[in-house]
Amino acid sequence: DAGITQSPRHKVTETGTPVTLRCHQTENHRYMYWYRQDPGHGLRLIHYSYGVKDTDKGEVSDGYSVSRSKTEDFLLTLESATSSQTSVYFCAISESLAGGGDTQYFGPGTRLTVL
Amino acid sequence: GQNIDQPTEMTATEGAIVQINCTYQTSGFNGLFWYQQHAGEAPTFLSYNVLDGLEEKGRFSSFLSRSKGYSYLLLKELQMKDSASYLCAVENSGYALNFGKGTSLLVTP
Repeated sequence: DAGITQSPRHKVTETGTPVTLRCHQTENHRYMYWYRQDPGHGLRLIHYSYGVKDTDKGEVSDGYSVSRSKTEDFLLTLESATSSQTSVYFCAISESLAGGGDTQYFGPGTRLTVL
Repeated sequence: GQNIDQPTEMTATEGAIVQINCTYQTSGFNGLFWYQQHAGEAPTFLSYNVLDGLEEKGRFSSFLSRSKGYSYLLLKELQMKDSASYLCAVENSGYALNFGKGTSLLVTP
């Protein structure tokens, strides 16, 4: 357990409404990530952060924005949700491995449905 | 760009051994990861390979050949609880992982 929580865990919303998902970590990890997971596509990176106020785009960033004003919180915002953004969203942190290198640990996920 | 391929589905018998293959073509390479994901749950880290060869961790082993762009995950003494999706991922740069689409493994009695 890397001390990662996500909220909400489930959300149903309507097309055109703004939605913010929160990822919270308690262990002062520098790197944080947002992925979406869809059948037939696997996990795809949306945005990531390498420090407070330092973020970068991933493979599928269109329609999403992020913010990180504190080390422990990484927010993902859908400014105007569309049905194509119906997905399961996972937050992850990067942590060092005992034998060298780093890996990512995932939060429990948020299931978002856009009607 | 990157391309990571793994079989979509596999079936194996309880107690047997199964090998899940992963081939990759990426613009950089900082390591290869295997994750396990049970239905409705988050992926959990299984293994990490950055050098060629076999890494063994209990019933699970992972192999890497960087020159061939190839890895496999070997699961021994299969148990019913091993039924899950297995995700291959490559870190190419910037600490970001690129995932394959996953292999759904069904273990039958």
